[in-house]
Amino acid sequence: AAGVIQSPRHLIKEKRETATLKCYPIPRHDTVYWYQQGPGQDPQFLISFYEKMQSDKGSIPDRFSAQQFSDYHSELNMSSLELGDSALYFCASSLSGQPYEQYFGPGTRLTVT
Amino acid sequence: QKEVEQNSGPLSVPEGAIASLNCTYSDRGSQSFFWYRQYSGKSPELIMSIYSNGDKEDGRFTAQLNKASQYVSLLIRDSQPSDSATYLCAVNTEGYALNFGKGTSLLVTP
Repeated sequence: AAGVIQSPRHLIKEKRETATLKCYPIPRHDTVYWYQQGPGQDPQFLISFYEKMQSDKGSIPDRFSAQQFSDYHSELNMSSLELGDSALYFCASSLSGQPYEQYFGPGTRLTVT
Repeated sequence: QKEVEQNSGPLSVPEGAIASLNCTYSDRGSQSFFWYRQYSGKSPELIMSIYSNGDKEDGRFTAQLNKASQYVSLLIRDSQPSDSATYLCAVNTEGYALNFGKGTSLLVTP
């Protein structure tokens, strides 16, 4: 079965640079979620989109922004990167009718040096 | 205090035994409960969802929910070494976000 696709899988950036992470949900899934997982930590919810509109917002820094496009893929834009932004970034997707059964992608490992 | 609490472990069980993983949550309004399995460096994998009090079985996995006690558990029967991973309890209270516990590390020894 098709899964969530994320790109790139690994990304190395320097402080103050910008990064863009992409997420392609499972076919027919219209809701996308972004999570950040630091080393040894549990995933922290950042933001979600349903039908191209922001549906919920968590602990996403003001330096980060995201959007969902007409084909339901989503991009997370991260600016003025800090060392503390180094983490795994997961995208998840779900069907809107399902009560939040979220399926996670493989993640993007971001390293900020 | 974290909204979703789990014993970090490690929980060690012999191969073939039953592994019992527990989770408590603080918000009585929570409606949806999930168990994810996460191998080191990999993404969380959804293994069970439960929404009403009682038991839900799927293969070797059984999820149990007790809303009065604000308690969710996961039983893994006939544990295999390949079950060794971190098990994350996740709760949806409002909106779209999942609140995760810190996870319980399970080690199944041959």
